[in-house]
Amino acid sequence: RKEVEQDPGPFNVPEGATVAFNCTYSNSASQSFFWYRQDCRKEPKLLMSVYSSGNEDGRFTAQLNRASQYISLLIRDSKLSDSATYLCVVNMAGGTSYGKLTFGQGTILTVHP
Amino acid sequence: NAGVTQTPKFQVLKTGQSMTLQCAQDMNHNSMYWYRQDPGMGLRLIYYSASEGTTDKGEVPNGYNVSRLNKREFSLRLESAAPSQTSVYFCASSGKTGTNTYEQYFGPGTRLTVT
Repeated sequence: RKEVEQDPGPFNVPEGATVAFNCTYSNSASQSFFWYRQDCRKEPKLLMSVYSSGNEDGRFTAQLNRASQYISLLIRDSKLSDSATYLCVVNMAGGTSYGKLTFGQGTILTVHP
Repeated sequence: NAGVTQTPKFQVLKTGQSMTLQCAQDMNHNSMYWYRQDPGMGLRLIYYSASEGTTDKGEVPNGYNVSRLNKREFSLRLESAAPSQTSVYFCASSGKTGTNTYEQYFGPGTRLTVT
């Protein structure tokens, strides 16, 4: 089983749609969770950290379910500029002075007019 | 504030040649990392440096060496390049942003081709 598993997609949605991605992780001791986005041939960029109580940043909502070991990302009112690969990322090292991150393979999202 | 910078952006090597990839960050982060990204494999950690003066192996360290030159700089060296090292290399640094949260920020990457 992969340590961090995502549906690779691709997800093709029209502008204005709501789309949700899920991700599961294998290590129940994992402490920190993130969503990154990566545009074609660019570096990953932090989209948002995921907190236990869930958190929202504009059109983006992230949820964490520790019991089921999954993380979700909801994008509302999709824009063309949301087209990218979304990476689910887990820190399995715990709250130490560094963060060894484990990356999922990414979910490809294409938003079309 | 440039964040994380990497040089070079592109490089072509012949099998057996050596080179050093440079990385620097200006965010005063303690920890720095080197990843490689290959199609279908996702990002894999090569080496990391938890703090100045320490380095440790990641998931795929074979064929690489690193040097944490100071708090700002972390270099990756390929001593004898092989075609299997053709990849995109990303450097990252991280700082503490919450109780147990260390967010990582990435450089723009180096596209390396070994022929």
